[in-house]
Amino acid sequence: AQSVTQPDIHITVSEGASLELRCNYSYGATPYLFWYVQSPGQGLQLLLKYFSGDTLVQGIKGFEAEFKRSQSSFNLRKPSVHWSDAAEYFCAVGDDYKLSFGAGTTVTVRA
Amino acid sequence: GAGVSQSPSNKVTEKGKDVELRCDPISGHTALYWYRQSLGQGLEFLIYFQGNSAPDKSGLPSDRFSAERTGGSVSTLTIQRTQQEDSAVYLCASSLEGANEKLFFGSGTQLSVL
Repeated sequence: AQSVTQPDIHITVSEGASLELRCNYSYGATPYLFWYVQSPGQGLQLLLKYFSGDTLVQGIKGFEAEFKRSQSSFNLRKPSVHWSDAAEYFCAVGDDYKLSFGAGTTVTVRA
Repeated sequence: GAGVSQSPSNKVTEKGKDVELRCDPISGHTALYWYRQSLGQGLEFLIYFQGNSAPDKSGLPSDRFSAERTGGSVSTLTIQRTQQEDSAVYLCASSLEGANEKLFFGSGTQLSVL
């Protein structure tokens, strides 16, 4: 069965500082991996996706994620956080039809 | 339409009543998903449709929950004899073919069972 663990429930980061959100997955084969963001009052939006190829994936809004098979991880990073990045972030693992989400990490950005 | 549309946006009901939640996916999207989002619980997979059929109903919490999709488009999630633990945001998403692609999410229906 596929599953996703996001160890950090809440992260606070200063504006301009770097951000890393952790994601660990469990899946039998090579999964599709995603990061979604849910900003206050808005629907979920895809940040980036990985299936194969280069293990460092670039996404929208300056985010990137790195797939590490040996660690079953797909961590999300951003070098310099903006106040607008305050949101809830969800890691997801899927196959051709089913997508399972982690519990999410809430990011607070302080001035 | 331009995006995934869900109605109603908010629903308050009394325990024991039945509710119907509606989802209008993006035109041409064959795959449709229902998720439930509870506070601090992330997104819980409920059911997946490919066209009008539901290959995976494994996420439906109990037999009080059912869903259908007609014409390969609109989907309705029905909860019978609602309980307080059913209170959550119910999210619908669609994609062109399946979960290996970008899912487009609606804004959700906030269900409150009193």
